[in-house]
Amino acid sequence: GQQLNQSPQSMFIQEGEDVSMNCTSSSIFNTWLWYKQDPGEGPVLLIALYKAGELTSNGRLTAQFGITRKDSFLNISASIPSDVGIYFCAGLSGGGADGLTFGKGTHLIIQP
Amino acid sequence: DADVTQTPRNRITKTGKRIMLECSQTKGHDRMYWYRQDPGLGLRLIYYSFDVKDINKGEISDGYSVSRQAQAKFSLSLESAIPNQTALYFCATSDLFQGTDTQYFGPGTRLTVL
Repeated sequence: GQQLNQSPQSMFIQEGEDVSMNCTSSSIFNTWLWYKQDPGEGPVLLIALYKAGELTSNGRLTAQFGITRKDSFLNISASIPSDVGIYFCAGLSGGGADGLTFGKGTHLIIQP
Repeated sequence: DADVTQTPRNRITKTGKRIMLECSQTKGHDRMYWYRQDPGLGLRLIYYSFDVKDINKGEISDGYSVSRQAQAKFSLSLESAIPNQTALYFCATSDLFQGTDTQYFGPGTRLTVL
């Protein structure tokens, strides 16, 4: 099956620093999604990317859909305490058959 | 009110018991999904349904069954629960829009099988 490699697995940063995480795949995806999950809650969609090369921002978050369609990155600028959580990338191929393929998550920890 | 709701939010049960987890959505989406989340493994797809008469197995369907009672309702059953089914379970919905299929998740059900 398809697999996504998400890195880093965890990040310990100071408040105010910028954050960067990425996902790579051996397969092509038609859609890349980035989710954030808080403890005890379901994943919440942050950014959706639908076209190769697309660069999309949502406040302090910026994500890009790689040209090869096999990778994506998420950047968070000027991190704040509420950014703490687990960030997941997810890829979708075709019309949604087989659901999303998820990365294993990046655990972001912010030290004040 | 939440667009995707799951009940119960937490459940502790014993090995061999039958368990049903329920999902309801008010988003009007045709597509619904059940995922399981285990530490370090991310989310894995159990079953999905593209409309009321459509049921499909996902990556890890063994030991589970589903029922799509209506467009807005999709339930997951464990016929005879076993301890390695202890996990977080998430329902998601989506609607094919402009050729893409963004999924929205419920808050999750934490299931513990003793």
